[in-house]
This record gives sequence, structure tokens and C-alpha cells, in this order.
Amino acid sequence: EVQLVESGGGLVQPGRSLKLSCAASGFTFSNYYMAWVRQAPKKGLEWVATISTSGSRTYYPDSVKGRFTISRDNAKSSLYLQMNSLKSEDTATYYCARSWGRIITTPLYWGQGVMVTVSS
Amino acid sequence: DIQMTQSPASLSASLGETVSIECLASEDIYNNLAWYQQKPGKSPQLLIYYASSLQDGVPSRFSGSGSGTQYSLKINSLESEDAATYFCLQDSEYPNTFGAGTKLELK
Repeated sequence: EVQLVESGGGLVQPGRSLKLSCAASGFTFSNYYMAWVRQAPKKGLEWVATISTSGSRTYYPDSVKGRFTISRDNAKSSLYLQMNSLKSEDTATYYCARSWGRIITTPLYWGQGVMVTVSS
Repeated sequence: DIQMTQSPASLSASLGETVSIECLASEDIYNNLAWYQQKPGKSPQLLIYYASSLQDGVPSRFSGSGSGTQYSLKINSLESEDAATYFCLQDSEYPNTFGAGTKLELK
């Protein structure tokens, strides 16, 4: 059974940093693209970052580019999101997601999400 | 960036009815369009990928269609469990972008 379990969320002050983790199990982690998607309270979904199977390619929207870094440790079946210079608008539930397949990068499996609150 | 315009924003329908939700892309996304269902407090669930491919385990009353810039999700014979918010996602190019969502209420 595929499982994705996020951790590391919490309350953080504006301008500070936070690192999210996602522990994956039930599949060969190194075979799949992974992504982070967030959802502000009562709002829609926003794609945050995607990383290739080896970690050599990463993609971000302008809203987080230069502040957030996605990374992975295939040996540990873990995905990370380093978030720096946090802003109030980064407040959201952050989901870790696994791609459908090796070629189709559409997110298929999602974690339960972890809440990040940016506030003084 | 590719913009996804999803409509309607909300929808109210009765059990047994058929409804459609549309997503319009600002440019051709070559069928790289997925549909998700999200219920309150839950993670999104993939319904359709590559515009019209039904994800395993998803009831056949859900179907996707479209090409180019216009895509739609159709739900036949609505059931009570279909009350949820639906999102489209284009993953044709980065940045991937979601539609704003459609909240489906059952009367």
C-alpha cells in the first residue's frame, strides 16, 4: 500500500524558515517524480514544486522560486521542502504527492497534509 | 504560465442527475489534464488523467473529455457521495496550474 506521511509543519514567524519532510513507503521511491502541492485555508490547490526521479531536475512556480527548495533522498525514500523567507501567504496545508508513473507525472497518491502557519 | 479557467464555481444538483464541469486552458495543453475530487478535510483523489483516462477504482459514472484548450468532467447519475469540490490540473508544462475549483452540492 502506498503511504506518504508529511511532517515538520507548525507555526513560524514571517521571514523564518521551516523544512517539511515526507516519508514514503509501499513503492520504489526512486522510480517516481514527487511533488508538493499546497492549499490555503478554504482556498484552492496550488502546485508548489516537482522533482525528478534522480533529483537532478526541479520545478517551481514564481510564487516560491528562490525561497523554496525541493529535494529527495532516494536511499531514505524521503522527500523534503525547505521553505525560507516565509510569508503570511505561505500559510497552507502542504501535501506531498507521488506521480502516476515514470512517464505520467500527474500526481496520483497524496499524503494527508501538514499545516504550516506563518504568523507573528 | 498557462491559466486554467474552471466553471462553474458552484453547482447544485439532485440525486440521479448528470452534471458537467468545464476547464478552459489559456493555450493548448495537449490532453495533459487531470481531474480531482476533494472532500472537506481530505486529500484530493485523482479521478481522470490525460483528459479521459479513468483512474482505477473510480466509478464509471465519471468521465472526462476534451482536447486542445477545452476540457470537461461529466458525472452521470449523481450519488450522495459525489458531493465534493472538483479541481482540474494541467501538467502539460511547468508551472503546473490548477483550476479554481467547482463545489458540487447535492439537493
